[in-house]
Amino acid sequence: QQQVKQSPQSLIVQKGGISIINCAYENTAFDYFPWYQQFPGKGPALLIAIRPDVSEKKEGRFTISFNKSAKQFSLHIMDSQPGDSATYFCAANTRFNKFYFGSGTKLNVKP
Amino acid sequence: GAVVSQHPSRVICKSGTSVKIECRSLDFQATTMFWYRQFPKQSLMLMATSNEGSKATYEQGVEKDKFLINHASLTLSTLTVTSAHPEDSSFYICSARRQNTGELFFGEGSRLTVL
Repeated sequence: QQQVKQSPQSLIVQKGGISIINCAYENTAFDYFPWYQQFPGKGPALLIAIRPDVSEKKEGRFTISFNKSAKQFSLHIMDSQPGDSATYFCAANTRFNKFYFGSGTKLNVKP
Repeated sequence: GAVVSQHPSRVICKSGTSVKIECRSLDFQATTMFWYRQFPKQSLMLMATSNEGSKATYEQGVEKDKFLINHASLTLSTLTVTSAHPEDSSFYICSARRQNTGELFFGEGSRLTVL
């Protein structure tokens, strides 16, 4: 059973628009939800993360929205730029256990 | 942010040889490191969990004698692909979990090509 489901698989957004990527999880024991950004040929980079005691976290143009009752969390990229074009992965884990990753979303921001 | 160094970034070898990949956490201690394999346009496939000073835990379907993992210190883990074959060609990525926060940081990845 897939622990973390991510959608959409791919996303095209115009420059300046809002990119939204969604993830849903199964295990209610998960208590840490990071997002990673990966460029081709590189390892994933930690972008932003949230714990379930808050419903939203914002860092610059990146915001995580977290809905504990629905077991969903999403990444919002405001004022999307061509340089944001990359693959994004959501993940979840319980502290000190292994991480479960979503299937990834390829974002293409058009100039 | 925390830095995880992975080396080499690219390696080409002949079939039957062994290849070692190093993963170092440069500015934090990592009691746990993870090794992933990533196929083109796919997500990260966990191969094994490496704990400092103990044997690695391998995921189902991953051959432990094929992929040797050593985690000798709080900042270094190595993956050795033994007797590599063309089907082992892939992108291998390590990650290190920061001891006090639980955050996970990735290395830059290693592209292995077996001829």
